[in-house]
Amino acid sequence: EPEVTQTPSHQVTQMGQEVILRCVPISNHLYFYWYRQILGQKVEFLVSFYNNEISEKSEIFDDQFSVERPDGSNFTLKIRSTKLEDSAMYFCASSEAPLAGGETQYFGPGTRLLVL
Amino acid sequence: KNEVEQSPQNLTAQEGEFITINCSYSVGISALHWLQQHPGGGIVSLFMLSSGKKKHGRLIATINIQEKHSSLHITASHPRDSAVYICAVRRGSQGNLIFGKGTKLSVKP
Repeated sequence: EPEVTQTPSHQVTQMGQEVILRCVPISNHLYFYWYRQILGQKVEFLVSFYNNEISEKSEIFDDQFSVERPDGSNFTLKIRSTKLEDSAMYFCASSEAPLAGGETQYFGPGTRLLVL
Repeated sequence: KNEVEQSPQNLTAQEGEFITINCSYSVGISALHWLQQHPGGGIVSLFMLSSGKKKHGRLIATINIQEKHSSLHITASHPRDSAVYICAVRRGSQGNLIFGKGTKLSVKP
């Protein structure tokens, strides 16, 4: 069964460093999402992406964050200068069509980011 | 105030029991999602509802749009159902989900 994959599964970085989290969505999916979950807290929406541009973003997704689809398969989340509060589990998700059409969103296993 | 509230926060049940998890929301929505988060962290979509009721195996989800309330029921619960169940609502058409804090379910054999 097709699945969303994410790499790395864990990443430890120093405050102020740049990190890139990678996702490979399901191959025929066109809509891509990033979410984060700080330990012990609820999942939060970061950004949605379609047709090579951001469709929607939350207040969390400030200038420190960027997303890119550099080729036909990868979808990346970059954090330019990490802060301690960026420590969280980051989930990528994809869907074949807009969720408004009743499509299911498929989640990746997550990348656990720890900023020291 | 959270826009999506779930109850209970924690639930322990004996194998075989009928389980209900509730979700209330305070905003206008276009759809409501139920998700399951496994102990390892992975998230699986269970249902998307915009009205009425859906059933998949032992899981049933209902929504009452007028009352801004949804329930997730598990019949004949099993220890493998142990997970965090998350309610999330969508306001727009693009997929921006607002999540509840989740209900941690533990089913004892």
